[in-house]
Amino acid sequence: GAGVSQTPSNKVTEKGKYVELRCDPISGHTALYWYRQSLGQGPEFLIYFQGTGAADDSGLPNDRFFAVRPEGSVSTLKIQRTERGDSAVYLCASSLRGQSTDTQYFGPGTRLTVL
Amino acid sequence: GENVEQHPSTLSVQEGDSAVIKCTYSDSASNYFPWYKQELGKRPQLIIDIRSNVGEKKDQRIAVTLNKTAKHFSLHITETQPEDSAVYFCAARSYSSASKIIFGSGTRLSIRP
Repeated sequence: GAGVSQTPSNKVTEKGKYVELRCDPISGHTALYWYRQSLGQGPEFLIYFQGTGAADDSGLPNDRFFAVRPEGSVSTLKIQRTERGDSAVYLCASSLRGQSTDTQYFGPGTRLTVL
Repeated sequence: GENVEQHPSTLSVQEGDSAVIKCTYSDSASNYFPWYKQELGKRPQLIIDIRSNVGEKKDQRIAVTLNKTAKHFSLHITETQPEDSAVYFCAARSYSSASKIIFGSGTRLSIRP
């Protein structure tokens, strides 16, 4: 079946603008994760959804970042008043149930560039 | 807080030789240790994982070992091939914080022909 998909693949915006990044998880996966990957670094956890609810948002860097998953499937990561330091690849992952030993499958990422 | 350290950051080996990447973790409650391979511009892909009740796991040319006492785990790739060239990330996940995976900073592996 289809894997995790993300749109857009690339997003260039200006400092101060608002952006939305979309993630379509694998069908049937109840757990969804957002990570941020800076150049030369490993993915850094941002937020975890179990169904429609954010079960852990401890990785969100500040209140400019927000994410939703209103129907328990597609998720949108929203960044307000973007800053140059927000430039990174934003990765989405999903897993079947969100148990600690479940495999997380990653999407291709959205490369965000803030000018 | 939770931390995963990985070394070396870069590794170059002759084709056919073995490569070893080592990681340490800080959270003693960690019970799941996946390894991901990421090719340039591509998504991370799981190549092997190990759970805390197992000391070693092997899948063809890839093996992972875990020492819970020392909080060390390692990836071993034997008979390396050009297609093994990529960045490899170790990671750890805690039963007490099942939502998040903590990644190491990555090892860029290059296979010399």
